[in-house]
Amino acid sequence: QKEVEQDPGPLSVPEGAIVSLNCTYSNSAFQYFMWYRQYSRKGPELLMYTYSSGNKEDGRFTAQVDKSSKYISLFIRDSQPSDSATYLCAIGGGADGLTFGKGTHLIIQP
Amino acid sequence: DGGITQSPKYLFRKEGQNVTLSCEQNLNHDAMYWYRQDPGQGLRLIYYSQIVNDFQKGDIAEGYSVSREKKESFPLTVTSAQKNPTAFYLCASSDGQATTDMQYFGPGTRLTVL
Repeated sequence: QKEVEQDPGPLSVPEGAIVSLNCTYSNSAFQYFMWYRQYSRKGPELLMYTYSSGNKEDGRFTAQVDKSSKYISLFIRDSQPSDSATYLCAIGGGADGLTFGKGTHLIIQP
Repeated sequence: DGGITQSPKYLFRKEGQNVTLSCEQNLNHDAMYWYRQDPGQGLRLIYYSQIVNDFQKGDIAEGYSVSREKKESFPLTVTSAQKNPTAFYLCASSDGQATTDMQYFGPGTRLTVL
């Protein structure tokens, strides 16, 4: 079983919809949780960082962590075409440093 | 402007050649990393360095070499021993000693073997 699982998509939703992106992980030692956004042919950009269970909100973005279920989510409200990108989860605190999911390709249809 | 720069943006290599990818940061970060990104594979760690003059192999170090002579610079050499070097290469840095800290990425270098 891979340490971090993320559905590659593509996930296609209409503009204005609420988007839910998710990752599951297996190592209970993980304690740092991040979401990156990567546009095509660009480097990943850090969107959200949290180290505790619960929700963290930043504008239209909400990161949610459920340590008991080993499940993290990123919600995007009022999605825009400019949100179309690949979203990578990244989890740290294990023995091997930061572990990345493979990324979910998100398409927001105008 | 603080950030991470990578050059060149695109690089073409002939079979049997070594090439060096540049990574520079002015964030005063101690740790730097090199990743390789292939379609469907996610990010794979090649090498990382937590301090000047010290570096460690990542998951896929074979065929690559690095140096860390200055805090700001962490160049990656793709040697002829790397059998499938065509990929998107990303450099990152973080401000802590532990590899669990937030990492910030450069814009990437796309390497193509002709």
